[in-house]
Amino acid sequence: AQSVTQLGSHVSVSEGALVLLRCNYSSSVPPYLFWYVQYPNQGLQLLLKYTSAATLVKGINGFEAEFKKSETSFHLTKPSAHMSDAAEYFCAVSYYNQGGKLIFGQGTELSVKP
Amino acid sequence: DTAVSQTPKYLVTQMGNDKSIKCEQNLGHDTMYWYKQDSKKFLKIMFSYNNKELIINETVPNRFSPKSPDKAHLNLHINSLELGDSAVYFCASSQAGEETQYFGPGTRLLVL
Repeated sequence: AQSVTQLGSHVSVSEGALVLLRCNYSSSVPPYLFWYVQYPNQGLQLLLKYTSAATLVKGINGFEAEFKKSETSFHLTKPSAHMSDAAEYFCAVSYYNQGGKLIFGQGTELSVKP
Repeated sequence: DTAVSQTPKYLVTQMGNDKSIKCEQNLGHDTMYWYKQDSKKFLKIMFSYNNKELIINETVPNRFSPKSPDKAHLNLHINSLELGDSAVYFCASSQAGEETQYFGPGTRLLVL
C-alpha cells in the first residue's frame, strides 16, 4: 500500500540551527513528492516539489529537499532556522494516473526557540 | 485576489443538521478536491472533480455529497451531521497534467 511516514511528530530547534524534517514513502513506483507548510489556522502552502527532474529541489523560504530513491526518502532541510519557520509541515506523494490524489504524512510540528 | 476561497470559514452546528461548504477557485484550473483534516491534523482526500465529473470518491459516508456546478466551484453538502464530522475541510485545485495543488484557507466545522 502507498503510504508516507514522517519521523517525529514534533521537532524543536534553536534559531539559526539546521532544520531537518524526515519523510519516507512506501510504494513500488516512483511518486511525485511534495512538502507543504501549514501556519496556524491557515491553509496549506507548497514549499517545494519533486517531479522526476533534479533530485535536489529548492523551494521557498530557503528550504530544500533531496529525493533519494534508494532510501525512498525526501527529507526537508533548511540551513538556518528562523522564528517564522515555526509551523506544521506535511510531506505528501501523488502518483501518475491516480487523479492527482495527494497522500499525506502525519505532519511534523516545527518549533523554533530563540 | 484569493486563488482558492472557501465559505464559511467557521461553522458551528448541532448534530443532525444539514450544512454546505462552498469553494471557488479563480485560477482557471479544471480539477478540484476536498480534503478532511482531523483533530490530529491528519489530512485525507475525500473527493475530486475534473470538469464537473467525479474522479475520486474515497470511502466517505454517503451523507457527504459534493456538487460541482461549473469547473470553478466545488461545494460540499453534509447531511445529518455527526460529532465525528467535526474537522477542518480544505478545498484545493490543480490543472490537469500539473501536480501542484493549491489549497483554500479551510472551513472549521464543529458539530455539537
